[in-house]
Amino acid sequence: ILNVEQSPQSLHVQEGDSTNFTCSFPSSNFYALHWYRWETAKSPEALFVMTLNGDEKKKGRISATLNTKEGYSYLYIKGSQPEDSATYLCASYGGATNKLIFGTGTLLAVQP
Amino acid sequence: EAQVTQNPRYLITVTGKKLTVTCSQNMNHEYMSWYRQDPGLGLRQIYYSMNVEVTDKGDVPEGYKVSRKEKRNFPLILESPSPNQTSLYFCASSLWPDRGDGYTFGSGTRLTVV
Repeated sequence: ILNVEQSPQSLHVQEGDSTNFTCSFPSSNFYALHWYRWETAKSPEALFVMTLNGDEKKKGRISATLNTKEGYSYLYIKGSQPEDSATYLCASYGGATNKLIFGTGTLLAVQP
Repeated sequence: EAQVTQNPRYLITVTGKKLTVTCSQNMNHEYMSWYRQDPGLGLRQIYYSMNVEVTDKGDVPEGYKVSRKEKRNFPLILESPSPNQTSLYFCASSLWPDRGDGYTFGSGTRLTVV
């Protein structure tokens, strides 16, 4: 994998549903994996930054896992609420480039 | 309040008229970066800086210049803007993005070049 890829591109769920998204990234020269939450008309806000294989982080109903050997991360939202509606971005920082490369995001819409 | 301040928020300009978008952070961050956001393409890095007087090209540097004379400021300069530079621009800073520090983003600049 040369780029950071996210799936699905968009997701519509009902309030109370649990959901998850996938981020795939280059596993070679890996330094860090970032997740951001981006609400419409606002700026992206950092959710998690993970660096170690097997890392799991949690903030309220949102959690993330990291597998650096196979190059993927999952973001989970438990019991989705309408205020969770946003685009969720992941980004990989690789030592070969010293750049933080973003995926195109997963747009989540939670229906009340 | 810890923040990244970006100005202006909105700008409409004409082709060829030089402009500067300012970016300032008050968190003593080492790393600063400029991104542009275009529909369907995600955030693409224009330039980044790992410290004062250290800048490097991102993925889409053509038509842009930057400078990092002071740690807190990282202006983006468009010497001769063209319509294909119409976009939403974000400045971001981090202490060390490779060691567990997330980016703090500015509020964005929506630029239209006519």
